[in-house]
Amino acid sequence: DTGVSQDPRHKITKRGQNVTFRCDPISEHNRLYWYRQTLGQGPEFLTYFQNEAQLEKSRLLSDRFSAERPKGSFSTLEIQRTEQGDSAMYLCAGTKGQGANIQYFGAGTRLSVL
Amino acid sequence: GDSVTQMEGPVTLSEEAFLTINCTYTATGYPSLFWYVQYPGEGLQLLLKATKADDKGSNKGFEATYRKETTSFHLEKGSVQVSDSAVYFCALSGLGFDAGNMLTFGGGTRLMVKP
Repeated sequence: DTGVSQDPRHKITKRGQNVTFRCDPISEHNRLYWYRQTLGQGPEFLTYFQNEAQLEKSRLLSDRFSAERPKGSFSTLEIQRTEQGDSAMYLCAGTKGQGANIQYFGAGTRLSVL
Repeated sequence: GDSVTQMEGPVTLSEEAFLTINCTYTATGYPSLFWYVQYPGEGLQLLLKATKADDKGSNKGFEATYRKETTSFHLEKGSVQVSDSAVYFCALSGLGFDAGNMLTFGGGTRLMVKP
């Protein structure tokens, strides 16, 4: 158990709807990362937070995507006007400190857009 | 930009066989290198890591050596078990104190071990 929890585990939605996912890292995780994993592929970086500050966003994060970490603890990832291409596993990872420290992953939220 | 290439699967082995999963990378400088494992229905778990050239990471009988000259980090295990069946991901993270240290993953290699 990595201590990182994600909710929900599965989300089925219709195209055009908005969805929001939540990630709860452990309290020591000052850095929090979001990744997206499509079927048969490795995870791809989306964005990360240092405490409550969002420091970097990948080009994969279109303007329909927004992420927050309001108090430097849990984080949310919202997708507006979902498209079928958004169907993927969304992974969250937390890490302590800075540098190449181990990232602890949650089990992910699987999104299916119909 | 940074990239990781690993051998495509699935790799199918009999129990107690020797395992090698190849991984090569492209990055500037000296990234840290990782192997993560994903068991069915579970999240990614760190298997082992190496942070500088010639370091050997090891865990649960798995080993990988950071080879700067060949930009490789191949995963090996001398005798696989059915319980090792999973998807294995090679990854690297960036450099420096202020780097984001986000992970760049390979495409994953599925290992199937038969009794």
